[in-house]
Amino acid sequence: GESVGLHLPTLSVQEGDNSIINCAYSNSASDYFIWYKQESGKGPQFIIDIRSNMDKRQGQRVTVLLNKTVKHLSLQIAATQPGDSAVYFCAENSGGSQGNLIFGKGTKLSVKP
Amino acid sequence: ETGVTQTPRHLVMGMTNKKSLKCEQHLGHNAMYWYKQSAKKPLELMFVYNFKEQTENNSVPSRFSPECPNSSHLFLHLHTLQPEDSALYLCASSPGDGNQPQHFGDGTRLSIL
Repeated sequence: GESVGLHLPTLSVQEGDNSIINCAYSNSASDYFIWYKQESGKGPQFIIDIRSNMDKRQGQRVTVLLNKTVKHLSLQIAATQPGDSAVYFCAENSGGSQGNLIFGKGTKLSVKP
Repeated sequence: ETGVTQTPRHLVMGMTNKKSLKCEQHLGHNAMYWYKQSAKKPLELMFVYNFKEQTENNSVPSRFSPECPNSSHLFLHLHTLQPEDSALYLCASSPGDGNQPQHFGDGTRLSIL
C-alpha cells in the first residue's frame, strides 16, 4: 500500500550544526507535502509545506527539498538550537480534494549543547 | 497557542465509563479531524468533518462516536473502550478547500484502566 516513511528514527546533532531529516514517500500522485514538529506534551506544529510544482522552499532557518524522481523529501534546519529538539513528521496528501494527510512515523531530533 | 483547543488534557477512565473529548477551533476553518497517536506508530486518521458533514470514517470501531455540531466544535464520545484505546487523541482543523496545512491541538492523553 501507499506509505510515508522516515529513513532515520533518531538524529543527534551538536548545537550550531545543520540538521537534515529525510522522508521517503511512495504515492507518486501526492502533490502536497508538509513537515511538522512535535515537542513533548504538545500537538504537531506546522513548520513548512511544499507543493509538487516546486523542488525547494525556504523558511526561517528551515528548507524543504522535494525530489519527485526518487520520491524523497527532506527538511534542513540551519544552526540547530536546543529548542529544535523534538520529533519531526513528514506528511503527504492522500490525493483527495479534502486535504487528508498520511503521516510518517517521525524522527526524533536531539540537540547536544 | 495554535488556535485549536482540546479538553480535557488528560483523562483516565474505566472500560465501562462514558466520556467525551472536546475540540474547539478559533481559526475560521471548515474542516475538522480526529487522529489517534500511539507510541511508535504514525498518526492514524479517525474521522473527518467538512462543513459539519462527516466525510470520512477510517474504519473506526463504533465505541468511538464523533459529533460536529458546527464548524468550530468537534466532539469524540467514548463508550466501553478497551485498554488498547489508550493513546493521545489529537484534533486538527484546516480550511477544507484543498492543499492547506492542518493545525493541531495539544491533544487529550487517554488512559483506559
